[in-house]
Amino acid sequence: AQSVAQPEDQVNVAEGNPLTVKCTYSVSGNPYLFWYVQYPNRGLQFLLKYITGDNLVKGSYGFEAEFNKSQTSFHLKKPSALVSDSALYFCAVRDDGNYQLIWGAGTKLIIKP
Amino acid sequence: DAGITQSPRHKVTETGTPVTLRCHQTENHRYMYWYRQDPGHGLRLIHYSYGVKDTDKGEVSDGYSVSRSKTEDFLLTLESATSSQTSVYFCAIKGWVETGGADTQYFGPGTRLTVL
Repeated sequence: AQSVAQPEDQVNVAEGNPLTVKCTYSVSGNPYLFWYVQYPNRGLQFLLKYITGDNLVKGSYGFEAEFNKSQTSFHLKKPSALVSDSALYFCAVRDDGNYQLIWGAGTKLIIKP
Repeated sequence: DAGITQSPRHKVTETGTPVTLRCHQTENHRYMYWYRQDPGHGLRLIHYSYGVKDTDKGEVSDGYSVSRSKTEDFLLTLESATSSQTSVYFCAIKGWVETGGADTQYFGPGTRLTVL
């Protein structure tokens, strides 16, 4: 069965510091991994995805994520956080044998000035 | 912008009444999805469609039905609303292969439904 975990309900980071939002997954086939961001009272916006290729994926707004097959992780990172990065972040996964995306519960990212 | 709109954006209704939510897309996408979002659960798939009149169930389909009579519209119906269906509902489409959007879902703005 597919599953995804975001172990932190909330992450607090000072502006200008690097940030990491964690995601681990479990699938039976090859993983398709996604990160989305949700600002208050808005829909989800696509940030980046890993399907195949380079383990380091670059996405929107300066975010990147690293696919680590041995640790079954796909952590979201940014070298220097902005207050405007404060939002809810979702990781999602499916494998190449399934149509359905499985979503993590979300991590609230708070960037303090 | 995937050209997705949802209506209504907010609705308050009473237990036992039928409710229909509409998702409209302007770019002829084949795949459309309905999700609900609840705190601590992320997004859960209710139903999805892979073409006109072609639909299938997701993980939380009980109490919901869908219809897709036109490519651009995907309707979600709560036949008899219950308080447990109070949630935020999101529609999504799957992007085009040609623009690098294959396998990527793009979301509408959501509908906040309250069942009293």
